[in-house]
Amino acid sequence: SQQGEEDPQALSIQEGENATMNCSYKTSINNLQWYRQNSGRGLVHLILIRSNEREKHSGRLRVTLDTSKKSSSLLITASRAADTASYFCATDGNQGGKLIFGQGTELSVKP
Amino acid sequence: DVKVTQSSRYLVKRTGEKVFLECVQDMDHENMFWYRQDPGLGLRLIYFSYDVKMKEKGDIPEGYSVSREKKERFSLILESASTNQTSMYLCASSFARGQYFGPGTRLTVL
Repeated sequence: SQQGEEDPQALSIQEGENATMNCSYKTSINNLQWYRQNSGRGLVHLILIRSNEREKHSGRLRVTLDTSKKSSSLLITASRAADTASYFCATDGNQGGKLIFGQGTELSVKP
Repeated sequence: DVKVTQSSRYLVKRTGEKVFLECVQDMDHENMFWYRQDPGLGLRLIYFSYDVKMKEKGDIPEGYSVSREKKERFSLILESASTNQTSMYLCASSFARGQYFGPGTRLTVL
């Protein structure tokens, strides 16, 4: 079952702008992860935020987690055309590494 | 670097054929997963495995089986392929809480 819902489904921005994607989930989690997928390829792990963390940074990525609202956001700052991809959130509910994925946000960054 | 490889990038099979999708990881990971990805439905877990010869059903196991005879290899089997199994199949492995994905196999069943 898919418990993650992502918003927006598609996002189109200009190079240099920031991109924000949101994810909501329904059950309690151990951690929440974000993945990126280039067209027709496998997913690549970007960042993991644990349930007791509120914010995490990695390069141009910033992830926030609000467990009271069961939501997370991924911010990509100063976007580049190469950031064009689909982005997925996935929740880990402590079931031995089993993840539940959202349906993804398709990001298009125009040069 | 973790490497997860899948036997084929593209595969075309006929209805009723038996199909084997192979996945190999080189990092001694215990957990391995098979997903299918369809437009509008996201990634759905078919089967996963925590150890050799161990398997657990995911959310959509019907029409599929798996085999894990060696730690590094996790095979997905379509006993009798049907057109509704046309999809992108993704294999993943994990040790901590992140998953490493293979490049995917795009299977078309005619």
